[in-house]
Amino acid sequence: AQSVSQHNHHVILSEAASLELGCNYSYGGTVNLFWYVQYPGQHLQLLLKYFSGDPLVKGIKGFEAEFIKSKFSFNLRKPSVQWSDTAEYFCAVNAGGNTGKLIFGQGTTLQVKP
Amino acid sequence: GAVVSQHPSRVICKSGTSVKIECRSLDFQATTMFWYRQFPKKSLMLMATSNEGSKATYEQGVEKDKFLINHASLTLSTLTVTSAHPEDSSFYICSARTGVVHTIYFGEGSWLTVV
Repeated sequence: AQSVSQHNHHVILSEAASLELGCNYSYGGTVNLFWYVQYPGQHLQLLLKYFSGDPLVKGIKGFEAEFIKSKFSFNLRKPSVQWSDTAEYFCAVNAGGNTGKLIFGQGTTLQVKP
Repeated sequence: GAVVSQHPSRVICKSGTSVKIECRSLDFQATTMFWYRQFPKKSLMLMATSNEGSKATYEQGVEKDKFLINHASLTLSTLTVTSAHPEDSSFYICSARTGVVHTIYFGEGSWLTVV
C-alpha cells in the first residue's frame, strides 16, 4: 500500500534559520507530490506540487522542494523562516494517475520563535 | 480562483442523532470530491471518494452505513454521520478535483462535536 512518512513531527526554529522537512513515500510507479500548509484555525493551502519536469519545485512564500526519485523523497526547504511560517505542514502523494486521491503524511508542526 | 466551501463550519449534536455536512464547489464543476477526517494533532485520513451520480468509494475500515455520502450534483457532495457517537467527533474536510490536471482544492473543514 502507498504510504507517506514525515520524519520530523515537531520542529522549533528561530527566525531566519533555514528549514528542511523530510518526506518519503512508498510507491514504485509514477507519483504526484504535494506539500500543504495548515495555519492555526485555517484550512489546508497548497504550498507547491510536483508532477513532472524539473525536480526542484518552487512554491509560494519562498518554499521549495526537491523530488529525488532514487530516494523516494520530496523534502521541503526554506532558506530563512519567519514567525508567520508557524503552522502544520503536510506532505501528500497522489499515486497512480490523476485521481485526486491524496495520501497524507503524519504532518510536521513547525514553530518559529521570534 | 476556485473555492470549495463546507457548511456548517462547526456543529454540535447529541449522541444518536444524524448530522449532515455539505461540500460545495463554488465556481467549478467537480465530478469527484473527497472526504477526509482529521483528528487533533493528526494527519488527514481519506474516508471516501465521492463520484457524481454514482455510489461513493469507501476506504478500508470506513463504515459506509455510518458515513453516508451523496454526490447529487456536480457542485455538491454531502456527508451524513448517522447515529453519531462521541468518538465521531472530529474535523471533517472535503476536497474537490477540477478538470485541470492535478488541481485539487480543499474546503475549510467542519468541526463535529457529539455530546
